[in-house]
Amino acid sequence: GQSLEQPSEVTAVEGAIVQINCTYQTSGFYGLSWYQQHDGGAPTFLSYNALDGLEETGRFSSFLSRSDSYGYLLLQELQMKDSASYFCAAAFYGQNFVFGPGTRLSVLP
Amino acid sequence: DTGVSQNPRHKITKRGQNVTFRCDPISEHNRLYWYRQTLGQGPEFLTYFQNEAQLEKSRLLSDRFSAERPKGSFSTLEIQRTEQGDSAMYLCASQGLVNYGYTFGSGTRLTVV
Repeated sequence: GQSLEQPSEVTAVEGAIVQINCTYQTSGFYGLSWYQQHDGGAPTFLSYNALDGLEETGRFSSFLSRSDSYGYLLLQELQMKDSASYFCAAAFYGQNFVFGPGTRLSVLP
Repeated sequence: DTGVSQNPRHKITKRGQNVTFRCDPISEHNRLYWYRQTLGQGPEFLTYFQNEAQLEKSRLLSDRFSAERPKGSFSTLEIQRTEQGDSAMYLCASQGLVNYGYTFGSGTRLTVV
């Protein structure tokens, strides 16, 4: 089956920029999503990339490179409230979104 | 539009009992998904519906699990003869446009004792 890999933890300070990477298996892949989940909360949709390149939404940007089977989420001007788990989720033909294991981001003052 | 609603928020049950969860999706969304999430892990796909048709079930979903969406609106997920390994957060999500993001409900946290 399909699987995704992402770092388990990332730590950064307020105001910094952090990049969370995600790699995926290519067979049947057609798009990559990112979700944010605070402790005790539900995952919240952040972005979706179907084409190569960078998609920007405010302080958050998401990038996809199909040739490298790789994507990342870029968070700029980090705030304490950005401390959460971030999941990449890949869409594969004929299947539903498969979620990665999640990256726990800790933002320090 | 009140988002995706799930009930109950928490459920504690004894091993061997049956439990049923309900999900009310965003009204104009025709796709509805059930995922399960354990602590420190990403959501795992269980099943999904397009309108009232159940189109896919994960191999994770044993015969003890059944889901319905009788009128293409709300959905129920039933677990029969619960086991301690069923303890998890059960998440429902709905989706309007294919390939766009899911809107998740707050989940039902099941604890089997």
